[in-house]
Amino acid sequence: KNQVEQSPQSLIILEGKNCTLQCNYTVSPFSNLRWYKQDTGRGPVSLTIMTFSENTKSNGRYTATLDADTKQSSLHITASQLSDSASYICVVSSGTYKYIFGTGTRLKVLA
Amino acid sequence: NAGVTQTPKFQVLKTGQSMTLQCAQDMNHEYMSWYRQDPGMGLRLIHYSVGAGITDQGEVPNGYNVSRSTTEDFPLRLLSAAPSQTSVYFCASNHGGVGGELFFGEGSRLTVL
Repeated sequence: KNQVEQSPQSLIILEGKNCTLQCNYTVSPFSNLRWYKQDTGRGPVSLTIMTFSENTKSNGRYTATLDADTKQSSLHITASQLSDSASYICVVSSGTYKYIFGTGTRLKVLA
Repeated sequence: NAGVTQTPKFQVLKTGQSMTLQCAQDMNHEYMSWYRQDPGMGLRLIHYSVGAGITDQGEVPNGYNVSRSTTEDFPLRLLSAAPSQTSVYFCASNHGGVGGELFFGEGSRLTVL
């Protein structure tokens, strides 16, 4: 069964600190993996896409990694800001129009 | 750019009532879909469409109907609302192809009493 598991479920950090969110998947066939950010009361927005051949990709203070052998991805947030408080959802695509969603990690950044 | 527009943002229904959640996109995307989001369960696919006149069921289709008469619009109909349909609903679209980025609307929060 295709599955995407994220950890931790929730996380609280102080402003300025770094954190890493994890995503493990068992999806076949694998097309790509995206991290989405969902602010409270808003729809998810794509942060970054990882394809099979990519190991690391950065988008500002966000850095995603992908290990296709172990089927793991991480999202590292550097120097966190209050605006990083949100849910982060890992989504794996499997072929055309098939998306498998993780349940998300809820991040809260405290001043 | 408007992107994906959903209406209404909030709705309260009584059990047995019917209603339609509206979704429109102005990006000429061929793929449109409806999800529901419940605490601790992530986004679950209700119905999707790969073009005008083509719809198909997702993971949790029971109690919902859809139609796609134009590329831009993809309404979701609840024929007889039940408390189990209390949720936040998201419409999403993408241009097609393998693993394309999903563009989401702002969501519609539905409460069924």
